[in-house]
Amino acid sequence: DQQVKQNSPSLSVQEGRISILNCDYTNSMFDYFLWYKKYPAEGPTFLISISSIKDKNEDGRFTVFLNKSAKHLSLHIVPSQPGDSAVYFCAAKAGGTSYGKLTFGQGTILTVHP
Amino acid sequence: DTGVSQNPRHKITKRGQNVTFRCDPISEHNRLYWYRQTLGQGPEFLTYFQNEAQLEKSRLLSDRFSAERPKGSFSTLEIQRTEQGDSAMYLCATHRVSETGELFFGEGSRLTVL
Repeated sequence: DQQVKQNSPSLSVQEGRISILNCDYTNSMFDYFLWYKKYPAEGPTFLISISSIKDKNEDGRFTVFLNKSAKHLSLHIVPSQPGDSAVYFCAAKAGGTSYGKLTFGQGTILTVHP
Repeated sequence: DTGVSQNPRHKITKRGQNVTFRCDPISEHNRLYWYRQTLGQGPEFLTYFQNEAQLEKSRLLSDRFSAERPKGSFSTLEIQRTEQGDSAMYLCATHRVSETGELFFGEGSRLTVL
């Protein structure tokens, strides 16, 4: 069963515009959520996270929104830059488990056109 | 280089052969994780260590898989009697036990079983 789902395999955006990547989850025990970015031939790198007690977290151009009632989170990138082109993974941690034991979504390929 | 290092980067083997992957963590990170990523999917948790103790194993880790972390430093992941379904990217990630969420991933070891 896919407990974390990213239903959009790909997203194409013009440079300078907003990129919105979405993620849905089913496990109500998840209490911490993260976004990772992956470039080809590299391992995933941490981008931003949010605890379940918050509904928004910002870091520069990146903002993550959490809607617990809808079991939905999203990542907003404003403004988008060509260097943001990568695969983005949503991930979640269940309460009482190690912070490194994550359940990942399938990923969304973001392409930012100049 | 102070990142997580994985070797070999690529391994091609015939079905039935044994393979071993090595992960050298960031030196002060006491937790080490193994993940597997197949094409079009996100990473899936396999197992993790705190220092030399293996604390958890996923159901994905069949009897043909064994992981070790002698002396709490580098770790090895061995797959015995490989099958074509074992073809995947094997990712190692580490963090300090006190840190929240930010895993540092290596570049991965890609296994192709013919």
